[in-house]
Formats: sequence, C-alpha cells, structure tokens
Amino acid sequence: GDSVTQMEGPVTLSEEAFLTINCTYTATGYPSLFWYVQYPGEGLQLLLKATKADDKGSNKGFEATYRKETTSFHLEKGSVQVSDSAVYFCALTGSARQLTFGSGTQLTVLP
Amino acid sequence: KAGVTQTPRYLIKTRGQQVTLSCSPISGHRSVSWYQQTPGQGLQFLFEYFSETQRNKGNFPGRFSGRQFSNSRSEMNVSTLELGDSALYLCASSLDQGAGNTIYFGEGSWLTVV
Repeated sequence: GDSVTQMEGPVTLSEEAFLTINCTYTATGYPSLFWYVQYPGEGLQLLLKATKADDKGSNKGFEATYRKETTSFHLEKGSVQVSDSAVYFCALTGSARQLTFGSGTQLTVLP
Repeated sequence: KAGVTQTPRYLIKTRGQQVTLSCSPISGHRSVSWYQQTPGQGLQFLFEYFSETQRNKGNFPGRFSGRQFSNSRSEMNVSTLELGDSALYLCASSLDQGAGNTIYFGEGSWLTVV
C-alpha cells in the first residue's frame, strides 16, 4: 500500500536559518503530494501541493518539488521565522483516494 | 467562504459511552472524510463519504461509524468508548477525493475518554 516516510524530528533552528524536511513516498501510479502544517491546538492547514512529476509547490516562502525519479517531496525554506514553529506533515493521495500521512516533523525556531 | 466546521471542539466522555461528532464541509464540497490523530499512531484514515455513500473505510473496528446527509454534512459515531479512543478527530472536505483535489481540514474535535 501507499506510505510516506518523513524525516524524524524534532528540528530546532535559529531564526533566518535554512530549512529542509525530507519526505519520500511509496505509491502505485501517480500520487498527488502535499505538505500540511499544524500549529499547537489546531487542525491541519494545507501548506502546498504538487500533482505531477517536476511540479513545484510553493507558499509563504516554502517550496517542494515532486521528484518521481527519487520518489521524494522535500520541504525547503530559505529563511525560517519564529512563527514557522509547528508540526509539518508530508502526505499523498494515491489510488486509495485517501490521504496517507508521514509521522510529522516538529519544527522549533528560536529567536 | 466558510471553512470546514466541526462540533463540538472539546468533549469528555466515560468509558462505555458513545459519542457523535459533527462536521459541516465547505460549501460545494461533496466529499467528507474523517481522520484520527493520536501521539502514538499519528494520523489515520477512518472513512470517506461522497454523496451520502461511504466509498472508503480505514482499518478501524465496527464501533466507529459515520454517515453523510443530503446537504453533505457528516457525523461520525463511536460506540462503547475505550480509553484508547482519546484523540483529535479531524474532518476534511474536498470537491472529490483523489485526482489532486485539495483536501481541507477543520479544527478538529478533541475527545477525552476517562
């Protein structure tokens, strides 16, 4: 079945540091890929998505590129802020027509 | 445009009781799905409804059930509550599941079973 493997956390960075959170997936066919963010005590918010190979999703300075050859969808941001502190989830929708999530990565950004 | 609305936000139940959670999807969205989030198991898919029909179900016992109404609103029910059912229950809606459609989540219902 479909699966998502996400970089283990927690990740602690200083403000303005570069962020990478690794995500790889296993799925049949051509899944759509997503990054969701969850702030403390809240639900999930869509951060960005990509629906086909080589697509780049971007939002609020975050970017991720759908790499079919490496089955990856790594999240990057050039300069993180304290307000980016949250839990980040990589996810996909494949043939099963449901979201399959990674385990989540807790990001803490220190001022 | 209003987002996905879930009620209640917080509730405490006793072991053996049952609970019903409600979800109003984004206007125009016909697919509603439910997920359970726990620290140990992470985010797990419960079931998905489209036009009042359950199309997909996750690996949960029969105590977990749901339904969708003609206005796309959905409810999920958990009977004979166990301590392990304590979790954040998230409802999500989309125009349709899969095919790259964006799935939007509500704030969730926090269930504590004591």
